[in-house]
Amino acid sequence: KNEVEQSPQNLTAQEGEFITINCSYSVGISALHWLQQHPGGGIVSLFMLSSGKKKHGRLIATINIQEKHSSLHITASHPRDSAVYICAVEGYNNDMRFGAGTRLTVKP
Amino acid sequence: DAGITQSPRYKITETGRQVTLMCHQTWSHSYMFWYRQDLGHGLRLIYYSAAADITDKGEVPDGYVVSRSKTENFPLTLESATRSQTSVYFCASRQDSVSNTGELFFGEGSRLTVL
Repeated sequence: KNEVEQSPQNLTAQEGEFITINCSYSVGISALHWLQQHPGGGIVSLFMLSSGKKKHGRLIATINIQEKHSSLHITASHPRDSAVYICAVEGYNNDMRFGAGTRLTVKP
Repeated sequence: DAGITQSPRYKITETGRQVTLMCHQTWSHSYMFWYRQDLGHGLRLIYYSAAADITDKGEVPDGYVVSRSKTENFPLTLESATRSQTSVYFCASRQDSVSNTGELFFGEGSRLTVL
């Protein structure tokens, strides 16, 4: 079993829909990261969380440390949100474990 | 230009040859990382460095060598390339370890093919 599990693996949505991507992990962590990888391959950091909730524009990330679970929400989705979203958990010595990613396609 | 850059972006080499992938950042970030990304495995940490002259192994370090003589550079060397090292390699940097400044910044990636 992978230490970081993401669901769903693939997600197709219509423009405007509310989207949720889930991440569950099995190890103790110091922080959790959400990353976005564009079709061209570049990777961008969206959030780093150690507790609670963060919001940036239409993106919201939450984490429940007790349940070892995080969610990434996208409100009012747009075709430009189409990308692979990657969850990564960070241990206490800079080691990072990555989920396999969720491929999101938003159709106009 | 400011940022984090990798070179070369694309490289084809033969089994047994030495290859060096370069990573340069202009922010004077303390931490730098090398990851590889493969289908079916996602991103995996190869090596990281907390500061100049300090490096540590990650999850998949075998077959790779790193050095960090200057804060801004973190080259990754494959001393004798193997086909299993065909992958996309990403360099990343961050200012601090676990704090509000812990956001990771990634290079554009280097696609390496070993024939």
